[in-house]
Amino acid sequence: NAGVTQTPKFQVLKTGQSMTLQCAQDMNHNSMYWYRQDPGMGLRLIYYSASEGTTDKGEVPNGYNVSRLNKREFSLRLESAAPSQTSVYFCASSATHYTNYGYTFGSGTRLTVV
Amino acid sequence: DQQVKQNSPSLSVQEGRISILNCDYTNSMFDYFLWYKKYPAEGPTFLISISSIKDKNEDGRFTVFLNKSAKHLSLHIVPSQPGDSAVYFCAASDETGANNLFFGTGTRLTVIP
Repeated sequence: NAGVTQTPKFQVLKTGQSMTLQCAQDMNHNSMYWYRQDPGMGLRLIYYSASEGTTDKGEVPNGYNVSRLNKREFSLRLESAAPSQTSVYFCASSATHYTNYGYTFGSGTRLTVV
Repeated sequence: DQQVKQNSPSLSVQEGRISILNCDYTNSMFDYFLWYKKYPAEGPTFLISISSIKDKNEDGRFTVFLNKSAKHLSLHIVPSQPGDSAVYFCAASDETGANNLFFGTGTRLTVIP
């Protein structure tokens, strides 16, 4: 009963390096999301995919790209990491893009950019 | 600008007493509200929600109250238990718009045995 699985759990990058955060869900959910959590800022939406084949920008999309690879997988890419992208990243999914179903979150990726 | 605000970063309560966590919002278009609970090194988990057509929703020990005119909601936990110690996030969405969730900054609840 995995739910939402994120890899890796921890990562340290040098400024300018690139990396992809992976997310997969096994609940047959249609919608998937990437959030970042920073101290004093709550969780902020980076990108979302309301359904397979669509992606849209959230509150803080700059510096990121996403790919909805299939219904299960939604990846987040940092092309040229910056220290401002040091954060905890959470992937989430929901049955539909209506929030009354609630979101299921992964356990997070802690990213440090030095 | 933070559209959902939790002005108390932390709250300590004795076991068995009531915990009251507060949340304010600024966007009058928000029509659905949720509370999430987060333990360290885990993702947030959905706790309880309320639609703007209601002013109260109850689920066991957890009750959420909504005051639309004041743009304020609160989560009551009665009785509080040590296992309730976690960070609680309030969230809101505009379901007639883009329908994305906006989160507050969280309140760390500590229930003292």
